[in-house]
Amino acid sequence: AQSVTQLDSQVPVFEEAPVELRCNYSSSVSVYLFWYVQYPNQGLQLLLKYLSGSTLVESINGFEAEFNKSQTSFHLRKPSVHISDTAEYFCAVRGGATNKLIFGTGTLLAVQP
Amino acid sequence: GAVVSQHPSWVICKSGTSVKIECRSLDFQATTMFWYRQFPKQSLMLMATSNEGSKATYEQGVEKDKFLINHASLTLSTLTVTSAHPEDSSFYICSALTGRAGELFFGEGSRLTVL
Repeated sequence: AQSVTQLDSQVPVFEEAPVELRCNYSSSVSVYLFWYVQYPNQGLQLLLKYLSGSTLVESINGFEAEFNKSQTSFHLRKPSVHISDTAEYFCAVRGGATNKLIFGTGTLLAVQP
Repeated sequence: GAVVSQHPSWVICKSGTSVKIECRSLDFQATTMFWYRQFPKQSLMLMATSNEGSKATYEQGVEKDKFLINHASLTLSTLTVTSAHPEDSSFYICSALTGRAGELFFGEGSRLTVL
């Protein structure tokens, strides 16, 4: 079975500062990894994903994540955050034959002016 | 991109009544859909896997008689919360699996409040 750990429940950061949201996973099979963002009272939006190939994946709004198999991590980074990036970020893993997507507990990114 | 629609987006009901939530894939066929629930300020918990034409597979601890799932067509899955109680109040989110590289797309969610 797969599982996901997001150690930080909340990450406060000042605007234009860099940020890293941590995600570690465990799985006995090859996995696909995802980051989703959820704004208040809204559904989930896919931010970026790793399926195969290059271990560094990027989103259109400046976020990036690197798949590190040896450390079983998929940390999310952004070099300079904006107020509008304030949201809940969920790391998720999918693997095996079931296609189930298992979510981490989420990290609230709180960007302050 | 692919679109998944949920209806209603929010619903308030009295304790003891049943509520049906629909999940539709608008521009693709989805043989598999998933239902999640999310409590305030918490993560999404997978409730069940809905497969078109067959019985849903429920996660451990989820009451199948309480949360009835029907996936009668390739574009529609429904979740019915039977005899709802205040503790069933939650945000219910569905996702649909496409055939393209097995991508998952999420609905906007349905907020259920049971009084």
